[in-house]
Amino acid sequence: GENVEQHPSTLSVQEGDSAVIKCTYSDSASNYFPWYKQELGKRPQLIIDIRSNVGEKKDQRIAVTLNKTAKHFSLHITETQPEDSAVYFCAAVLTGTASKLTFGTGTRLQVTL
Amino acid sequence: EAGVAQSPRYKIIEKRQSVAFWCNPISGHATLYWYQQILGQGPKLLIQFQNNGVVDDSQLPKDRFSAERLKGVDSTLKIQPAKLEDSAVYLCASSLAGGPLYEQYFGPGTRLTVT
Repeated sequence: GENVEQHPSTLSVQEGDSAVIKCTYSDSASNYFPWYKQELGKRPQLIIDIRSNVGEKKDQRIAVTLNKTAKHFSLHITETQPEDSAVYFCAAVLTGTASKLTFGTGTRLQVTL
Repeated sequence: EAGVAQSPRYKIIEKRQSVAFWCNPISGHATLYWYQQILGQGPKLLIQFQNNGVVDDSQLPKDRFSAERLKGVDSTLKIQPAKLEDSAVYLCASSLAGGPLYEQYFGPGTRLTVT
């Protein structure tokens, strides 16, 4: 099955700096890669996603890049703000009958003032 | 629109006891998922339903876990008997249909502590 590794496990940045979280996946057939944000004690929420036919996608301060050859994808947050502090999970999906989400282990992002 | 509802929010039981969790998906969502999220880890899919049929239960420990969605709406997840390693947050999610074209919406989760 699919295996997703995520780094770093914790990340501390100063407000206004950029943050980058990286994930690698094992199944080259995976073709959909969502990112979820989970604030403390709350439910995961989808913040951005990318499909395998696209190399980069942006949504305001958030961008995701995908390198299919290397089987890795990254989340970039620019101009970080305190409200960006949360745990971020990447995931990979091999679309098909079940299209199961396989999550990474998460990155705890702390944005300090 | 109303979100995914789950109950109870918290549950503490002793090992070898039984426990059941309930999930009410967003109205009209055909696909329902149960995830287990152990502290410090990402959610792990336990079972996926399409209406009242099981699509994927490959990671469900069937010797102790069971789930049903009899009328294709609400779902229950049961653990019998519970083990210490079952301590986790159990998240229910729903989507209009299966597949990545349809966003999964998560419920608030049930935090289970097994002592």
